[in-house]
Amino acid sequence: EDKVVQSPLSLVVHEGDTVTLNCSYEVTNFRSLLWYKQEKKAPTFLFMLTSSGIEKKSGRLSSILDKKELFSILNITATQTGDSAIYLCAAQETSGSRLTFGEGTQLTVNP
Amino acid sequence: DTEVTQTPKHLVMGMTNKKSLKCEQHMGHRAMYWYKQKAKKPPELMFVYSYEKLSINESVPSRFSPECPNSSLLNLHLHALQPEDSALYLCASSRPGWGRGYTFGSGTRLTVV
Repeated sequence: EDKVVQSPLSLVVHEGDTVTLNCSYEVTNFRSLLWYKQEKKAPTFLFMLTSSGIEKKSGRLSSILDKKELFSILNITATQTGDSAIYLCAAQETSGSRLTFGEGTQLTVNP
Repeated sequence: DTEVTQTPKHLVMGMTNKKSLKCEQHMGHRAMYWYKQKAKKPPELMFVYSYEKLSINESVPSRFSPECPNSSLLNLHLHALQPEDSALYLCASSRPGWGRGYTFGSGTRLTVV
């Protein structure tokens, strides 16, 4: 059975800290790894990673995929209170039709 | 238009009621999805429609009945639900095939009483 595991499940930091969120996966017919941010309702798309070792960046957020070790990390530098959310990673299989989500990391950034 | 719109935002229904959830997108996406998310849990896939045809049903009970009347609309018909079906129901869309990010709607918060 496909499995995605995130760690830590919960993280509390102060504004300005840097955080690293982890995601490991065991997925048959793996194709890509996606990161989402979920605040109140809809998950919002952050990154899609398909190739190993290529870092993707968007402002203070960056992510990288290691297809040999089957994991990805999401880094957030200089955290702000607005970064408080649940961060979900999801593995997409080859057909693209199925996303398997991890449990999520609840990030709380205190002022 | 880069949104997926879901209605209603909140729904309370009795176990004998029949109701429907609606999802609409105008991004030309030909793959649409229903996910169920319980509190503090990740979204779980329920159904996938590709080019208006049901391609995946994740062994969802028949009290949930999806329908895709056209390429922009996705419905989820609900009948004889149980209290444990209370959850956030998320609709998403994408271009078919891998390598496509999904766009999620804001969800319908369903409570079954």
